[in-house]
Parts: sequence; C-alpha cells; structure tokens
Amino acid sequence: KAGVTQTPRYLIKTRGQQVTLSCSPISGHRSVSWYQQTPGQGLQFLFEYFSETQRNKGNFPGRFSGRQFSNSRSEMNVSTLELGDSALYLCASSLAGQRGGELFFGEGSRLTVL
Amino acid sequence: AQSVTQPDIHITVSEGASLELRCNYSYGATPYLFWYVQSPGQGLQLLLKYFSGDTLVQGIKGFEAEFKRSQSSFNLRKPSVHWSDAAEYFCAVGANDKIIFGKGTRLHILP
Repeated sequence: KAGVTQTPRYLIKTRGQQVTLSCSPISGHRSVSWYQQTPGQGLQFLFEYFSETQRNKGNFPGRFSGRQFSNSRSEMNVSTLELGDSALYLCASSLAGQRGGELFFGEGSRLTVL
Repeated sequence: AQSVTQPDIHITVSEGASLELRCNYSYGATPYLFWYVQSPGQGLQLLLKYFSGDTLVQGIKGFEAEFKRSQSSFNLRKPSVHWSDAAEYFCAVGANDKIIFGKGTRLHILP
C-alpha cells in the first residue's frame, strides 16, 4: 500500500511569491491534515480536510489556504510569502482524521523563502 | 484548549541504556494520546497510541508508554536503546477534534 506522497519535496521561493503544495493520501483515507514544522514552534496545525470539506483549522493567517479534491488529494497554498513561512510542511492522512484517528505522515515539502 | 509539554528538548543516553521521555498534557477529560518518531529528513511515524483501557501501551520498535491520569502524563520508555533510535520524538494529544503535538525531544545516542 503506497504511503502519503507530498510534492514537491524541496522548493525555494522569494518573498511575495505564492506556492502550492500537493499531498496524495493513502488510498481509502478521506482525511488530510496539514502541519507546519519549524525548529522554534514545532508542529503547528494548519487545517484538516475531510471529504472535500474543511473540518478544522488552526491559527494561521488567511494567506494559508487549502482544498481537497474528490479523489482525496489535497493542496495547500500560501500567498504573499514571508521569510517566516520557511518551514517543513507536513501532510498527514487518516481514516478518522483529527477525531482520534492515527495520522500517517508524508515526508514533507521543505519550503525556503528568500 | 488542550496542550502538550515535553520538558526535555534534548536527551543523551548511551547505547544499551534505558530511556524515558516525558510528556505532560493539559485537558479536562481523558484525551487520545500518541507518541510519534521523526528520523532526519522523514515524516512522522506512529510509535504507539492510547485511547482507553490498559494504561500501559506497547508500541513498535520495543517502545512502551504509560498513561497516568493523576499526573496527566504519558511517558515513553524503552529498556535498552539502539543507535538507530536516535531521532526526534513527539508526544501528541487528541481532543476537541484536533491533534496537538508537543515541541519534541531530540534523542542522542552515545556509542
């Protein structure tokens, strides 16, 4: 069974640009959650999508958005990039999602903002 | 709101020694509890989880954790560490439809 796939694995952007990250969950998983990981803040919850609907979100500005498609693949977008957005963005899929389910993580997309 | 505290940022142990990583949580009721491990350049992998029942939980790679309600703790243990256990370990709490992670403990192994 294929795991969670995130693309791209690495990317470099400049301030003011926007970026789109993609996540393909494990087959059959309808929940996709996104986390931002930085050395100082650890893992911070961005949002969760379940069956194409945003089910929950963390405390991030509106520049951070996401969506989920009918095949459960998810994308997250960050607009007007800032230096502080440099981080590892992790996607996790799950059967039950944030409501007590086990999360299966991808290897992440490492974003560097210059 | 729930929160998770991992008081040790770094821990160093010798190979073959025992290990205990601390985790304390804050939540009014009994939450779901998890331990994840992250090796360099990798995503997180679930080591073990507690939902209910027996408070001593066995996980993969020889790890176990004990839920202590009176202390709001869920400490991770291993009787004898191996060099391959060097990684970052995250405790997580699931409640109110969110899974919140601690800031992690980086484990270093001395040969």
